[in-house]
Amino acid sequence: DTGVSQDPRHKITKRGQNVTFRCDPISEHNRLYWYRQTLGQGPEFLTYFQNEAQLEKSRLLSNRFSAERPKGSFSTLEIQRTEQGDSAMYLCASSGTGKGTGELFFGEGSRLTVL
Amino acid sequence: GESVGLHLPTLSVQEGDNSIINCAYSNSASDYFIWYKQESGKGPQFIIDIRSNMDKRQGQRVTVLLNKTVKHLSLQIAATQPGDSAVYFCAGAEGYSTLTFGKGTMLLVSP
Repeated sequence: DTGVSQDPRHKITKRGQNVTFRCDPISEHNRLYWYRQTLGQGPEFLTYFQNEAQLEKSRLLSNRFSAERPKGSFSTLEIQRTEQGDSAMYLCASSGTGKGTGELFFGEGSRLTVL
Repeated sequence: GESVGLHLPTLSVQEGDNSIINCAYSNSASDYFIWYKQESGKGPQFIIDIRSNMDKRQGQRVTVLLNKTVKHLSLQIAATQPGDSAVYFCAGAEGYSTLTFGKGTMLLVSP
């Protein structure tokens, strides 16, 4: 399977714990995106990388959230001191190098439940 | 900023009917639009896209129409099948900006 893969698919944690999600994009894609999706809503943009550079961050990305893409390949999204409001599906997507915004290829998501 | 929304939260159709899902956007500078299908527990899956220099684009059983005058786009699905049941999202972007998604419409296809 050469699509976008995310791990873990499901994570249940207690409030206050830290969690980390990993995303492996399509190998030839240099752009990587993180979105968050809550029930009944569309995906909300969190952050975006071009290669290893984090080019854009949403105001939704509080200081408890940090994302990295150290070698321009896989990315991690860490949430520190989780809160119940962090419960959501965290989606990763990647796209190619074409001009402007293009099709995003999404992974299956990592569902976070904070108890 | 970009704001993209949908008119109908749920659309119920009979198998074989044509379905039309609508979407309004607020940013007149948006120049790229895309429709995604999302099945329960899965990530969004690309259906079709359109750039603002076009007003219609057709795919396999799907057609996207863009009306820039009223900032509206629609997704038409011909001969809707039970496998088309899912939530459909429109998303838009301006230039090099990231995609902004609407809320979604659930399509329910009954046999």
